[in-house]
Amino acid sequence: SQKIEQNSEALNIQEGKTATLTCNYTNYSPAYLQWYRQDPGRGPVFLLLIRENEKEKRKERLKVTFDTTLKQSLFHITASQPADSATYLCALPNQGGKLIFGQGTELSVKP
Amino acid sequence: NAGVTQTPKFRILKIGQSMTLQCTQDMNHNYMYWYRQDPGMGLKLIYYSVGAGITDKGEVPNGYNVSRSTTEDFPLRLELAAPSQTSVYFCASSSRTDNQPQHFGDGTRLSIL
Repeated sequence: SQKIEQNSEALNIQEGKTATLTCNYTNYSPAYLQWYRQDPGRGPVFLLLIRENEKEKRKERLKVTFDTTLKQSLFHITASQPADSATYLCALPNQGGKLIFGQGTELSVKP
Repeated sequence: NAGVTQTPKFRILKIGQSMTLQCTQDMNHNYMYWYRQDPGMGLKLIYYSVGAGITDKGEVPNGYNVSRSTTEDFPLRLELAAPSQTSVYFCASSSRTDNQPQHFGDGTRLSIL
């Protein structure tokens, strides 16, 4: 079955730097991949979707890449701010079409 | 502009008690989902529904039941609470099941002692 691996170690960076989070998956390549943000005590909030035929997707300071050869998606936040501190989840559909989620990577941006 | 609303936000149950977690959405979405999230783990799908009157099991359905009598509401029932069901439960909805974002509520934190 499909598995998702996100870096379980928290990522600590300085304000203004670029944060890069990794999402690796096993087995088949999905038709798309989604990224969500989750703040403590809140539900996940959708950020970006990237399709398998798209190498890169951008939204304001966010950029997502999708490499089906490496079976990997990278999530970048440029010019990071303390307000970007949260847990970021990647999600992709299983063979039945239902989303499966990674365990998330916690990002902490220090001023 | 409510989106997905879950009640209650917190609950403590004793082993063997039952309860219903409520979920309602005002976006007229056909698809609704229940997940549980345990510390350090990804969201696990419990049950989902593709429309009123239609429900199906997800990855971890044992110990839970659902119903979908209206488009707006998708309650989750725990019949005999067990300590293993201590978790944070999230309800979500989407307009379609494929490549559409899911909209989540803020969760119900459930402890079973």
